[in-house]
Amino acid sequence: DTGVSQDPRHKITKRGQNVTFRCDPISEHNRLYWYRQTLGQGPEFLTYFQNEAQLEKSRLLSDRFSAERPKGSFSTLEIQRTEQGDSAMYLCASSTGQPGDSPLHFGNGTRLTVT
Amino acid sequence: DQQVKQNSPSLSVQEGRISILNCDYTNSMFDYFLWYKKYPAEGPTFLISISSIKDKNEDGRFTVFLNKSAKHLSLHIVPSQPGDSAVYFCAASRYNEKLTFGTGTRLTIIP
Repeated sequence: DTGVSQDPRHKITKRGQNVTFRCDPISEHNRLYWYRQTLGQGPEFLTYFQNEAQLEKSRLLSDRFSAERPKGSFSTLEIQRTEQGDSAMYLCASSTGQPGDSPLHFGNGTRLTVT
Repeated sequence: DQQVKQNSPSLSVQEGRISILNCDYTNSMFDYFLWYKKYPAEGPTFLISISSIKDKNEDGRFTVFLNKSAKHLSLHIVPSQPGDSAVYFCAASRYNEKLTFGTGTRLTIIP
């Protein structure tokens, strides 16, 4: 059973640069979520997809952030013109989306440091 | 606004005793509740869940209790083991939508 895979595990970038993260969900899962976690906080919702359709975006997702899931399989999260406040752990999760009992399964995250 | 609250940032429990972690929520539309466990440098791992039509769900050493009138849920771990030391997050959702997480409780099991 292959879990959720995220790449890279760590990314250090300079302020103003663009970064892109990749997530490969569990293969039979239709839903894919992006969350962000900072120190001392719980994961905060960013956006989620049902297959290739992006169903909801958080107000946290500014215009500099964009997420795609072009073929309903893997997803990418791009941050343009990074700022120091973007430093966080970016978590991807997937689920079957079945109502009533559909826990999210998380990857190990991408830790972004903006210098 | 913090719709899911974990008011205890940390908890220490002797090995073999019961650990009780608490969580409160404000949104009465939540109908699905979960607990996750997180080790450093790893993503959260799903532990146990409960639907709003139930008031208790048990899985081995883990039991989740839901009190809808009080908008409160708790996770009981018995007996507690050293490997249970981690940060625990409660989470909630409504209508099969996104999960909203609490801020976490760091559980330390003392050998």
